[in-house]
Amino acid sequence: DIQMTQSPSSLSASVGDRVTITCRASQRISSYLNWYQQKPGKAPKLLIYAASNLQSGVPSSFSGSGSGTDFTLTISSLQPEDFATYYCQQSYSTPFTFGGGTKVEIK
Amino acid sequence: EVQLLESGGGLVQPGGSLRLSCAASGFAFSSYAMSWVRQAPGKGLEWVSAVSSGGGSTYYADSVKGRFTISRDNSKNTLYLQMNSLRAEDTAVYYCAKDQAGHGGVIVIFDYWGQGTMVTVSS
Repeated sequence: DIQMTQSPSSLSASVGDRVTITCRASQRISSYLNWYQQKPGKAPKLLIYAASNLQSGVPSSFSGSGSGTDFTLTISSLQPEDFATYYCQQSYSTPFTFGGGTKVEIK
Repeated sequence: EVQLLESGGGLVQPGGSLRLSCAASGFAFSSYAMSWVRQAPGKGLEWVSAVSSGGGSTYYADSVKGRFTISRDNSKNTLYLQMNSLRAEDTAVYYCAKDQAGHGGVIVIFDYWGQGTMVTVSS
């Protein structure tokens, strides 16, 4: 099975900060990497698919990069509505594993 | 508007069974692969199972293989998850999720999710 490791597991940031979250796969997964945002009590929301493609309706402040084993999600200017937990997920091979999550909190 | 509405969750004893349903609307259900994803209380997301658009191909996480069965009824626009031999570690919110791309295989990029249904396994 492919293990997905996210770092950090949590971070504190201020509105307007640039935030970067990393995700590492235990083996090469090309660009089969997706990012989701989840707020408390809500279903996850797709942000980025295939490593760097912005899902329709998602603000351009979100971006993704990487291929192979190392990936990043960047929020260029953190907004109040961006405080949430973020998950990466590989869609390269079954079982289609998620990372452990990164909780972005208000500093 | 795409809508996914899960039902069937509840409290069940260890070793018991439960069937979850996910009623879909607002898109051509029969053209899209679907999945179940779960989240234990206070924990992260875990992909559970996927089924191709026609139902002919199914995939399972090791943790549920042999105990859970995913299926779909395209005439009713409904996805199912039959859960047998339930364990305490199956306690979670279960989400159904729609694949982003249709008319193909299972790609497991989830562009729409339901609101979830809670399954509690306890004596």
